[in-house]
Amino acid sequence: ETGVTQSPTHLIKTRGQQVTLRCSSQSGHNTVSWYQQALGQGPQFIFQYYREEENGRGNFPPRFSGLQFPNYSSELNVNALELDDSALYLCASSLFRFGQGHWKNIQYFGAGTRLSVL
Amino acid sequence: AQTVTQSQPEMSVQEAETVTLSCTYDTSESDYYLFWYKQPPSRQMILVIRQEAYKQQNATENRFSVNFQKAAKSFSLKISDSQLGDAAMYFCAYTRSNYQLIWGAGTKLIIKP
Repeated sequence: ETGVTQSPTHLIKTRGQQVTLRCSSQSGHNTVSWYQQALGQGPQFIFQYYREEENGRGNFPPRFSGLQFPNYSSELNVNALELDDSALYLCASSLFRFGQGHWKNIQYFGAGTRLSVL
Repeated sequence: AQTVTQSQPEMSVQEAETVTLSCTYDTSESDYYLFWYKQPPSRQMILVIRQEAYKQQNATENRFSVNFQKAAKSFSLKISDSQLGDAAMYFCAYTRSNYQLIWGAGTKLIIKP
């Protein structure tokens, strides 16, 4: 167990709706990354949050947005859901130590949220 | 752009034997990190092993070891004494700065009892 928890486990939505996925990071971690994993594929990076700010973004449209809270937990919001948004959404937490010249973190993953869009 | 390729969609091995999973990547950077993650049916990505590109020594974690060939941009995973619990999807991943992981498509490992 990594200590990263995601909720809900499964979710079914219809096209056009909005969804919020939640992630609690591992104790002591300050950075959260989100990935989308379509069936039979490797994960794709959505974005990362550090100190409550977006710290990098993959090739995803603006209807994918996020938040990070003072306790370092995070939310992923997806507006105007499309059928292709059906996927496993993975959250990973890590610890970034500023001033060490490079990121030394290892990303620890939760078990994901399976989103089905009908 | 960096890419990661896993050319084996599926591999099978007899229990207690050794299997090697292949991974190649493309990058123009000289300093980066490579990872192997395991994803069992429970869906949680579990870190198996990590390699820093500036280190020439191949990483080892118990029964898991890598063959890191920087010039060839190759990063294979060897699993010795395979166990039933090793059955899972295995993903190779690359990162330049340890935040955005770039992933291969995965290899499904089947362990035959």
